[in-house]
Amino acid sequence: GESVGLHLPTLSVQEGDNSIINCAYSNSASDYFIWYKQESGKGPQFIIDIRSNMDKRQGQRVTVLLNKTVKHLSLQIAATQPGDSAVYFCAEGGSQGNLIFGKGTKLSVKP
Amino acid sequence: KAGVTQTPRYLIKTRGQQVTLSCSPISGHRSVSWYQQTPGQGLQFLFEYFSETQRNKGNFPGRFSGRQFSNSRSEMNVSTLELGDSALYLCASSLRQGRSYEQYFGPGTRLTVT
Repeated sequence: GESVGLHLPTLSVQEGDNSIINCAYSNSASDYFIWYKQESGKGPQFIIDIRSNMDKRQGQRVTVLLNKTVKHLSLQIAATQPGDSAVYFCAEGGSQGNLIFGKGTKLSVKP
Repeated sequence: KAGVTQTPRYLIKTRGQQVTLSCSPISGHRSVSWYQQTPGQGLQFLFEYFSETQRNKGNFPGRFSGRQFSNSRSEMNVSTLELGDSALYLCASSLRQGRSYEQYFGPGTRLTVT
C-alpha cells in the first residue's frame, strides 16, 4: 500500500533562545547514545554522544542529558542560531553494533 | 581529511532493474555501514562491513546486498527494484567495528524508482 509520510515533531524557537529536543529510547540495555543533526540534502552530522554511565555531557553550545530511569534523552542547544535549523535525531547503540535512530525532530529558528 | 563520499548522488531507475551504489569511507576507517532513509520509516540499518566481511545485518530482504573491498570502499546492490525502494541511502564509516564508535555519514544517494 501507499506509505504515509512521517510527521516530524517540530520545534520553533526564536534566535538566541535555548532549545530543548527530547527523545525516548526503547532498550533499557542500550549503553551508548548519540545526537545527529541533518540539514536538507545532507547526511546526518554527529553532534554529541553519551555513554550510559553518565547523566550529562557538555559540548560547544550543546548539552545532552540522559535519564535511564525513564529511558529519556534530551539535547539542549544554547543561544540557538539560524544555522541550527535542521532535523535532529537521537540514536542508540544496537546490540548488533548498528545505530537505532529515533524519528527525528525538526528545529526551526526564527530570526 | 576528506569525508565520506557516495556516488552517484542521484539515481532514477525503473521497477525490476538493479542498482549499485558506492561509498568511500574516511581514510583509515575500516567499518562501513549502510542505512536507508525514507519519510515513512525514518533511518533504518541495512548492514555493516568490516575487513571485507559483513558483520551485521538489518531486517531487509535478500534483494539488498553489499560488499567491501580491501581498500575499505563499499558497494551496495539492490536487485529487482520495487517502488518502495525509493529512498535516500546513506553510508557511514567508523574506525572500528561494533558498538559505541562514532559513525560519520556521507551525503547519501537519492534513489528514485519509477
